[in-house]
Amino acid sequence: AQKITQTQPGMFVQEKEAVTLDCTYDTSDPSYGLFWYKQPSSGEMIFLIYQGSYDQQNATEGRYSLNFQKARKSANLVISASQLGDSAMYFCASQGSSNTGKLIFGQGTTLQVKP
Amino acid sequence: KAGVTQTPRYLIKTRGQQVTLSCSPISGHRSVSWYQQTPGQGLQFLFEYFSETQRNKGNFPGRFSGRQFSNSRSEMNVSTLELGDSALYLCASSSSGTSGRRVNEQFFGPGTRLTVL
Repeated sequence: AQKITQTQPGMFVQEKEAVTLDCTYDTSDPSYGLFWYKQPSSGEMIFLIYQGSYDQQNATEGRYSLNFQKARKSANLVISASQLGDSAMYFCASQGSSNTGKLIFGQGTTLQVKP
Repeated sequence: KAGVTQTPRYLIKTRGQQVTLSCSPISGHRSVSWYQQTPGQGLQFLFEYFSETQRNKGNFPGRFSGRQFSNSRSEMNVSTLELGDSALYLCASSSSGTSGRRVNEQFFGPGTRLTVL
């Protein structure tokens, strides 16, 4: 079984500063993917970044980077130079390679960026 | 490339009715997954279809069903609606689900917000 834990229900960050959103996971799959999604108040889930369990390097996508520590089973999202438009709910999710199409989501972290 | 589309965007139904939601995946994507999002339970996986076959299923009662057509468009149906079925229903598409060891990204549609009165 897979489980995702996001321990920060809400976070505040000052505009232009960096922020780290925590995510720990538990999976029995030897091969898996880890994802971060952003959900604004409109409801749409926006894909941000992906990390494969066999990837040697941490994933980066523009201002988003993933601090992947496999031994600790953590996959924290780092957002650099926060913008007001980053205010949203952020979800960490995992999918095992043997569990097609099934993302397991954490409870989410609400991020508010202050001007 | 057009994104994932879902129709309708909003629905209001009464208890006991049934509802059908539609999802058109990104062109070329053959895997469609459905999720239910509620404030209490969060995001939960309903089922996944690939090439018109249900490949994976979550822990939902049989009132929740789905299907996929030859053009990869998918529908989900909820029969005998209950108040607790009020939720945002999201569908997501991906190219195949997995490719060897790599898990492929899922891209979500805007969702259908269902209210059951």
